[in-house]
Formats: sequence, structure tokens, C-alpha cells
Amino acid sequence: NAGVMQNPRHLVRRRGQEARLRCSPMKGHSHVYWYRQLPEEGLKFMVYLQKENIIDESGMPKERFSAEFPKEGPSILRIQQVVRGDSAAYFCASSPSPGQGASGYTFGSGTRLTVV
Amino acid sequence: AQSVTQLGSHVSVSEGALVLLRCNYSSSVPPYLFWYVQYPNQGLQLLLKYTTGATLVKGINGFEAEFKKSETSFHLTKPSAHMSDAAEYFCAVSERNYGQNFVFGPGTRLSVLP
Repeated sequence: NAGVMQNPRHLVRRRGQEARLRCSPMKGHSHVYWYRQLPEEGLKFMVYLQKENIIDESGMPKERFSAEFPKEGPSILRIQQVVRGDSAAYFCASSPSPGQGASGYTFGSGTRLTVV
Repeated sequence: AQSVTQLGSHVSVSEGALVLLRCNYSSSVPPYLFWYVQYPNQGLQLLLKYTTGATLVKGINGFEAEFKKSETSFHLTKPSAHMSDAAEYFCAVSERNYGQNFVFGPGTRLSVLP
């Protein structure tokens, strides 16, 4: 039973390029959460998605960032026109349902984005 | 609104010594409380969690934490540190019955000295 799979593990982009980060949740999990970890900081919530729906995007920057979780395939976090301040580790987590808060999340190993 | 504070961004202990990592939270509703560990270049791994019932919670790798409602605390302890415990530790709070939107503390980096 594979865990939460994120790819790529490391991503280097030049300023102005687009970054696409992928997350495949655990088998049987239909809820996906994206978090960002800036250097020397804790994780900050970005967005919560269910299949084909964005449930809570209160942590997403208003511009350049978008997320989707299509009916088929992984969840995608897209960052357009990246800037140096976007350099961070981006973690995806999944859970079976929001009512399962007691079970916590299962985290992926993250994608480390470096903008040069 | 929920929040989590972790006292001490960096804690150093000697191998075999007691580990104590502090976590205080605020929540308007009864919380779920979690400790996660992050090893270098890896994702977060759940150490333990408090939901209901017994306030002393035992987790993996010999760690335990006690929920103290009166002190709004959930400190993490381990009687005897091992070199392999060196990592970043995050305390997190979630509102009861809501699995999304965990709030994480800033983390405490634990160093274990030989």
C-alpha cells in the first residue's frame, strides 16, 4: 500500500517559469491538502481539495497559485511566473475524510522547489 | 482561531538524557492534538495524537505526550534520548471533527549530543 507520492522530489525553475507539483494520495483517500514550508518555518496550510472540488483555499496566495484534483490522476499545485520567494518545500497530505480528523494526515516526502 | 506555540526553536540534549519539547495551543473548541517528526529531506511522520480519553498518549519510538487542558499544553517527552531522535518536531492542532486545516507550530529542532 503505497503512501502519499509526490513528484518531483526536487524542482529547479528560473524566475518567470511555471512550476507543477504532483501529489497522488494514498489508496482510498479522497481528500488532499497542500502545505508550504518556508526555510526555518513550520508548515502553512495552502489548500484543501476533494475530487474535482476545492473545499478551502484560504491559505493560497491570490495570484499565480492554483490547485486542482481531477477525477482521474494526481492533484496538481501550479505556480505560474515563479519568483525567488516561492522557493520552499511543498508538502501534500491525504486523509480518508474530514470526519477522520482523529487519524491525522499521511504526508508525502515533499517537493523542494528552488527558484534561481 | 487556533494557534500553536513551541517554546524553543532548537533544543540540545545529551544521549541518554530526558527529552522535553514544549507545545502550547489555543483553540475555541476541544482540540485534536498531534506531534509530527520530520527527518532531513523527508516528509512528516505522525508520532502520536490525542483525541479523547486518556490524557497521557504513547507514540512511536518511545515518545509520549500529556494533554493538560488547564495549561493548554501538549508537551512531548522521551525518558532517554537516542542519536536517531535528532530531527525537527512539529506540534499541530485540529478542531474536533474537522480533519482539514491543521495548524502547525513553527517546529523545534532536536539535537542529540554524544
